[in-house]
Amino acid sequence: KNQVEQSPQSLIILEGKNCTLQCNYTVSPFSNLRWYKQDTGRGPVSLTIMTFSENTKSNGRYTATLDADTKQSSLHITASQLSDSASYICVVSARMDSSYKLIFGSGTRLLVRP
Amino acid sequence: DTGVSQDPRHKITKRGQNVTFRCDPISEHNRLYWYRQTLGQGPEFLTYFQNEAQLEKSRLLSDRFSAERPKGSFSTLEIQRTEQGDSAMYLCASSPDLAGGLREQFFGPGTRLTVL
Repeated sequence: KNQVEQSPQSLIILEGKNCTLQCNYTVSPFSNLRWYKQDTGRGPVSLTIMTFSENTKSNGRYTATLDADTKQSSLHITASQLSDSASYICVVSARMDSSYKLIFGSGTRLLVRP
Repeated sequence: DTGVSQDPRHKITKRGQNVTFRCDPISEHNRLYWYRQTLGQGPEFLTYFQNEAQLEKSRLLSDRFSAERPKGSFSTLEIQRTEQGDSAMYLCASSPDLAGGLREQFFGPGTRLTVL
């Protein structure tokens, strides 16, 4: 069964600290992996997209890693800011028949405190 | 047009009533998607359109749900005889019609439905 699991479910950190969010997936055939940020009451916004051949990609203070062999990804946030408080959703794209499907994780809810 | 827009942002209705949501995608995006998201969960796929053609529907889309995209631009999602279990955020996303699996989906702000 195609699944995307994220950990931790929620996380509280102090402003300025770093944190790492985890994503494990059992999706096949794998096409690409995405991380989205979703503010409360808003739609998700894309942070990174990584293909099979990419093992790290950065977007400002966000750095995503991908290990396609172990089917794991992480999102590292450096020098956190209050505005980083949001849900972070790991999404894996799978090639199915003639189309691509996005399989979403449940997200990690991050709260950055002053 | 700088992004995907959805209307209304919030809808409160009584059980048994019909509701309709609208999504305006990014201009020239041929693909349009509908998702449902419940609290603490990731979005779940409902259906998608390429231009005006509805190409796929999830098993989640019961016969009380219907979606249209009559002119290949905006889309509507109607829920008939709403149930309390329909309470959720309904998200719309659009993407360009590019080959391969890297087409990025741009999400709207969502419509929060509460069924009393």
